[in-house]
Amino acid sequence: NAGVMQNPRHLVRRRGQEARLRCSPMKGHSHVYWYRQLPEEGLKFMVYLQKENIIDESGMPKERFSAEFPKEGPSILRIQQVVRGDSAAYFCASSPRRGELATGELFFGEGSRLTVL
Amino acid sequence: AQSVTQLDSHVSVSEGTPVLLRCNYSSSYSPSLFWYVQHPNKGLQLLLKYTSAATLVKGINGFEAEFKKSETSFHLTKPSAHMSDAAEYFCVVSVIGFGSSNTGKLIFGQGTTLQVKP
Repeated sequence: NAGVMQNPRHLVRRRGQEARLRCSPMKGHSHVYWYRQLPEEGLKFMVYLQKENIIDESGMPKERFSAEFPKEGPSILRIQQVVRGDSAAYFCASSPRRGELATGELFFGEGSRLTVL
Repeated sequence: AQSVTQLDSHVSVSEGTPVLLRCNYSSSYSPSLFWYVQHPNKGLQLLLKYTSAATLVKGINGFEAEFKKSETSFHLTKPSAHMSDAAEYFCVVSVIGFGSSNTGKLIFGQGTTLQVKP
């Protein structure tokens, strides 16, 4: 059973370009979470999605950031008009139900590292 | 509201000596607590989890942690460090929502970098 798959693993963009990060959850998982890790910091929650629904986007910046999890295909985190401050590692996590309900445990991918020049 | 504080940003030990990584939490509810490890340029691997069962939790690679409600602590220990243990360690608490249910959101500590010297 493959784990959470993220791609690209590394992405370089110039200021003003768009970045698209993809996440395929573990097989059988229908809940996806995106976290951002800035240099020298812990991970911060961004958004929680189920298929075709955004459940909680309280951690998403108000502008330029969007996320989706379509009925078919991976979840996409999209950053428009990137700025240097967007440089970070973006981690996707999945669970079969909301945070495994009883435990809150999530299963993480290896992350996508965005560098903005 | 839940929060977690890792008391040391860097810990350095010699190979073969004990490891202690400290974590204090704050939660209005009985929390779910986790320790994750992150090796350089890698994802996060779950070391162990506490979910209101036994207070002494054993994880992978010889790590264990003890939940102490009176001290609101969840320190991570290992009797004997190995070079391969050098990594970033995160103490994590699960966010509890309405109805005392897990929301699926996690709050991460700032991380502790463990250095293991030969």
